[in-house]
Amino acid sequence: GIQVEQSPPDLILQEGANSTLRCNFSDSVNNLQWFHQNPWGQLINLFYIPSGTKQNGRLSATTVATERYSLLYISSSQTTDSGVYFCAVVTRGSTLGRLYFGRGTQLTVWP
Amino acid sequence: SAVISQKPSRDICQRGTSLTIQCQVDSQVTMMFWYRQQPGQSLTLIATANQGSEATYESGFVIDKFPISRPNLTFSTLTVSNMSPEDSSIYLCSVGPLAGGNEQFFGPGTRLTVL
Repeated sequence: GIQVEQSPPDLILQEGANSTLRCNFSDSVNNLQWFHQNPWGQLINLFYIPSGTKQNGRLSATTVATERYSLLYISSSQTTDSGVYFCAVVTRGSTLGRLYFGRGTQLTVWP
Repeated sequence: SAVISQKPSRDICQRGTSLTIQCQVDSQVTMMFWYRQQPGQSLTLIATANQGSEATYESGFVIDKFPISRPNLTFSTLTVSNMSPEDSSIYLCSVGPLAGGNEQFFGPGTRLTVL
């Protein structure tokens, strides 16, 4: 199956700092999503972004499908941004629509 | 988006017993999926719950251990059978794509601890 690699695996920031999370994938996709998993285990949808750029408040994401990567930007980080960020994709041509997840980036924001 | 609920939200069970997890969606959806997240790990697909037919299981997961039901387009159950401590995980259902888009959404998860 498709390989999804996220970097860095861990990130520690001071409140107010900016960060960039990366997701590389090994095959063409027709769905790419970014999720934030909060400390209670719930997966929060951040972006559905198979291509292009989107922004939502302090967060933005860019996917360059032809080069098979996506970036998630977090600006002016807050302690509530802490948690695990997952990238997940659906391969192009998939009839079932199952998501393949990366291993995630564990983000810790200190006050 | 969709409103997805799961029951129970958490449970502590004894080894050798079984637990059935319910997933309810507030609208009809074509695809429902069950994922497992072991402690400190990423999410792994267990199976796709098909309405009106048997679930489609991923490699390493079998129907005897994880029987799934999908009686209609808004509801599914996952049973974790003959549990062992290695089954301690978060179990999540997801749905999608929804009408008008390809985005998938997750339920709040069931945190299972097996003693």
